[in-house]
Amino acid sequence: GAVVSQHPSRVICKSGTSVKIECRSLDFQATTMFWYRQFPKQSLMLMATSNEGSKATYEQGVEKDKFLINHASLTLSTLTVTSAHPEDSSFYICSARGTGRVGEKLFFGSGTQLSVL
Amino acid sequence: DQQVKQNSPSLSVQEGRISILNCDYTNSMFDYFLWYKKYPAEGPTFLISISSIKDKNEDGRFTVFLNKSAKHLSLHIVPSQPGDSAVYFCAASSRNSGNTPLVFGKGTRLSVIA
Repeated sequence: GAVVSQHPSRVICKSGTSVKIECRSLDFQATTMFWYRQFPKQSLMLMATSNEGSKATYEQGVEKDKFLINHASLTLSTLTVTSAHPEDSSFYICSARGTGRVGEKLFFGSGTQLSVL
Repeated sequence: DQQVKQNSPSLSVQEGRISILNCDYTNSMFDYFLWYKKYPAEGPTFLISISSIKDKNEDGRFTVFLNKSAKHLSLHIVPSQPGDSAVYFCAASSRNSGNTPLVFGKGTRLSVIA
């Protein structure tokens, strides 16, 4: 099946630093990738939709200057949490919508647990 | 305002019995529904889906039922196995609206007891 690789799986950083999370579709091209975050016991909340070669579309309440998204190729999207603060600590998950043989399903990365001290 | 609701945060079932996980939605534009399974510290994995033109889809031990008039769907797992213990997310989308993302419920934690 289709594979989405997300890296790193866990990050612990100091307040004020920036963290970059990578999301790669390994065996299919993803023109659209989605970034979600999940707080404990909550649902997956969409942060932004990333389209290859264009600016990301952010959901209401998500600061685009704080969560920088780059989707420079059909297989790679990155999320950079700039000047991270403890309230940014969360589980971040990327996903890519399949095309062609894999259909329209959404495939998820394994997630990144971010802890900001 | 939650468009996809999973009202049971947890469910415990004995091994071998049937697990029934429920999901309700409010947006009548949704026409594609999916179930995902998630283990701790991992991303969700796709389990089964159903289009609004169907009322049932079966894949091995997993069956999803859709009741459009009630805006309700359910996932049946039979027989339940200890390895099925995970959080199950219901998700919905409106394919006619273009490349829209999925809307997820809060999840139901299933525990299958041996």
